[in-house]
Amino acid sequence: SQTIHQWPATLVQPVGSPLSLECTVEGTSNPNLYWYRQAAGRGLQLLFYSVGIGQISSEVPQNLSASRPQDRQFILSSKKLLLSDSGFYLCACARNYGYTFGSGTRLTVV
Amino acid sequence: DAKTTQPNSMESNEEEPVHLPCNHSTISGTDYIHWYRQLPSQGPEYVIHGLTSNVNNRMASLAIAEDRKSSTLILHRATLRDAAVYYCILDPQGAQKLVFGQGTRLTINP
Repeated sequence: SQTIHQWPATLVQPVGSPLSLECTVEGTSNPNLYWYRQAAGRGLQLLFYSVGIGQISSEVPQNLSASRPQDRQFILSSKKLLLSDSGFYLCACARNYGYTFGSGTRLTVV
Repeated sequence: DAKTTQPNSMESNEEEPVHLPCNHSTISGTDYIHWYRQLPSQGPEYVIHGLTSNVNNRMASLAIAEDRKSSTLILHRATLRDAAVYYCILDPQGAQKLVFGQGTRLTINP
């Protein structure tokens, strides 16, 4: 079965600082990978998805970017964080039916 | 993206059945109906999915209306650990992404 590793679990960053969140997947090859964000008390917003190495689709224009340097590695980045980037970031992997989600990173921008 | 409508919140008592409704009047013939749930501070967890026939698994049952314009997730005997936000999502066959709505926040009373 698939396992998704996300780190760190929590992160506090000042406004204007860079961001790099990493997600790695075990137990599958050539998966579709996703980054979601959940603002406090809100639903999940799809940010990026990738169907293969180097292939990134952006759902929401913003100051975040994503990269997929390896088959089972998906990275979410920002050059300069905004207060509005605070939220719960989740990486997900598609499987035969449905998705498997990671445990998430709670980002607070101060 | 095909849209689903769910009540914002529901409340039930421990050890009683819970019926969580979902309307999806614009569903197309190839859309699968998926249910996920999200416990506090965790990533969403797959619950069940179906296409036309009712489905049962160890977590829940899914009852799909004959016209497929609505479905109901059934928790047969709710426990306190079932308190979560439940999401009903349409997954078009071959789609590369899942789009989450706001879901139903289920509260279980002891």
